[in-house]
Amino acid sequence: DGGITQSPKYLFRKEGQNVTLSCEQNLNHDAMYWYRQDPGQGLRLIYYSQIVNDFQKGDIAEGYSVSREKKESFPLTVTSAQKNPTAFYLCASSKDRALSGNTIYFGEGSWLTVV
Amino acid sequence: EDKVVQSPLSLVVHEGDTVTLNCSYEVTNFRSLLWYKQEKKAPTFLFMLTSSGIEKKSGRLSSILDKKELFSILNITATQTGDSAIYLCALSGGGSEKLVFGKGTKLTVNP
Repeated sequence: DGGITQSPKYLFRKEGQNVTLSCEQNLNHDAMYWYRQDPGQGLRLIYYSQIVNDFQKGDIAEGYSVSREKKESFPLTVTSAQKNPTAFYLCASSKDRALSGNTIYFGEGSWLTVV
Repeated sequence: EDKVVQSPLSLVVHEGDTVTLNCSYEVTNFRSLLWYKQEKKAPTFLFMLTSSGIEKKSGRLSSILDKKELFSILNITATQTGDSAIYLCALSGGGSEKLVFGKGTKLTVNP
């Protein structure tokens, strides 16, 4: 079945450690996105990528890094520089960059807790 | 800066009630407005609106866009407990290839 797969679903991290969240899609979508969701904050954009080997910072990129070496993969690294990393992370993709006639599809999310 | 404001932020109703969720926006170059339902994990797509005054309908849910007054509403009639969720409004526009989301409306439907 086509879709977006995020892993792990739940992750605990000690302060000071980096952690990488995986996002894979087999929808042949060009654009991929990472959002962070906190209670009462809606979805905030961390990074997005419109094409392989290219990505752009979103609204809250500090303390995060990404790569887009393959079309189907867009991993997110939460670094120790991110001060409040505990959150729900959603990966998404869309067919084309313009979002003009397409919707965005979401993965099931990853819960990251810093202990 | 593109902006999406949803209201109310939280709403509690009884089964059978009708609810109206609001989404107002500011954008420099509007392309589309989208509604999503989020229960526990991934938001699921409900509607995409691009033209003013044309109602989109799916079962008990409907939505309409007013591009002059810069808002959209999502109506749910005869609510059921399964409608309990966070409803997200998102905006595409401003020459940017990304969506801007509102904070969401948390709807709770009690039996």
